Amino acid sequence: RKEVEQDPGPFNVPEGATVAFNCTYSNSASQSFFWYRQDCRKEPKLLMSVYSSGNEDGRFTAQLNRASQYISLLIRDSKLSDSATYLCAVNGNYGGSQGNLIFGKGTKLSVKP
Amino acid sequence: DTEVTQTPKHLVMGMTNKKSLKCEQHMGHRAMYWYKQKAKKPPELMFVYSYEKLSINESVPSRFSPECPNSSLLNLHLHALQPEDSALYLCASSQGTEFYGYTFGSGTRLTVV
Repeated sequence: RKEVEQDPGPFNVPEGATVAFNCTYSNSASQSFFWYRQDCRKEPKLLMSVYSSGNEDGRFTAQLNRASQYISLLIRDSKLSDSATYLCAVNGNYGGSQGNLIFGKGTKLSVKP
Repeated sequence: DTEVTQTPKHLVMGMTNKKSLKCEQHMGHRAMYWYKQKAKKPPELMFVYSYEKLSINESVPSRFSPECPNSSLLNLHLHALQPEDSALYLCASSQGTEFYGYTFGSGTRLTVV
């Protein structure tokens, strides 16, 4: 099983749609979780940290399910500007190394007019 | 200042050249990282510096040599690279290595000819 897995998509949705991404991770000792957004030929930008209690930032909601070892990102009322690749990232004790942020392959979202 | 600055933005080098990538942050972050990203792939961790000491080397070939002159600067020295080393090289920093999201620089797009 790969360390961090995501559905690569693409997810093609109309403006205003609600879209959800999931990401699974293999290391049950992982402590911190993040969603990043990456536009074409740009660097990843931190979108949200993911907490056990879940967190919300405007149209974006992130959830963590430790029992099933997955994190999710929900985007409501999607905008054209939301089109990007969304990377989940998990920080845990991979290979005996803490401070090792592992990225999923990313899910590509395309929001159409 | 909430940025990570990388120079140069683009670099073309021959297989016999020696070059260096530079990264600078003034956010007081104590951890700095080098990642490598190939097209349509997630960022892959290369090196982690924590409090100016190398804490993780992800089995990177010796033709890549990191250096952390002080808490704000991180260099990556390149020598005798191969064409397959062509990629986007991303520098990142964070407050610590375990529970914090990373701030990425805009990257150096490296082409080895």
